[in-house]
Amino acid sequence: ILNVEQSPQSLHVQEGDSTNFTCSFPSSNFYALHWYRWETAKSPEALFVMTLNGDEKKKGRISATLNTKEGYSYLYIKGSQPEDSATYLCAFPPDSWGKLQFGAGTQVVVTP
Amino acid sequence: EAQVTQNPRYLITVTGKKLTVTCSQNMNHEYMSWYRQDPGLGLRQIYYSMNVEVTDKGDVPEGYKVSRKEKRNFPLILESPSPNQTSLYFCASSLGQASSYNEQFFGPGTRLTVL
Repeated sequence: ILNVEQSPQSLHVQEGDSTNFTCSFPSSNFYALHWYRWETAKSPEALFVMTLNGDEKKKGRISATLNTKEGYSYLYIKGSQPEDSATYLCAFPPDSWGKLQFGAGTQVVVTP
Repeated sequence: EAQVTQNPRYLITVTGKKLTVTCSQNMNHEYMSWYRQDPGLGLRQIYYSMNVEVTDKGDVPEGYKVSRKEKRNFPLILESPSPNQTSLYFCASSLGQASSYNEQFFGPGTRLTVL
C-alpha cells in the first residue's frame, strides 16, 4: 500500500520558469518527511529531511515547505535550469523504527 | 571518500539460481536498507537493519533474505530468484532510523534480470 502520493507524475518546464509539486502523506503519527533528487543513471541524493510543522528548507534554487497537520509538502524550483531535470522523490517513515515509504516521484524536464 | 558500494552492478541470471548482492558502507552508519525500484511504483523497501544482528521486513520482503553480521555490510540474498524479481535494486545507509533527521545515502544500484 502506497501511503505517499506525489503529483503531478511529470512536469515539463521552460528554462527560467518556476515550478512546484506536491507530496501527500498520512497526517497522523508524523515523524519526518524526506525529499530526494534522482537524476537519470545516478542514485537518489538527499535534498531535505523535515520534521517540524511549518518547516521551510532551502538549497540553492530549490526549497520545500511542510504541513504536517494536513499531510502535505511542496517542493519549489525557482528559475528552473536544464540541470534541474530529474525525478524528485518524497519519502515518509510510517513508524518510529526503520520503515521508509517512497512516493512514485515527480519527473521534471526542463527544456532550454 | 564516504560511499555506499554495491556489487555486482549488473546481473543476468536464471530462475532458481541463488545469488547475493553485496552492499558495503564506510561511514560507520547504524542503519542500512534495501529497496527495489520498478516503473510507476517508486522505491519499495525490502528489508532494513537498525544495527548488527538487527534486521526487519520492509514492505516487500517475500523472496529475499538479508544478514547484518558486521556494521559495514548488508548483503541481499535471493535464494531462488524468479522473473518477478527482475528490478533495479538500491542499498542505502544512514546514521540512524529514517523517522528522525537521518537522510539516506544510496549506493549506485544493481540492475538484476532473472530469465
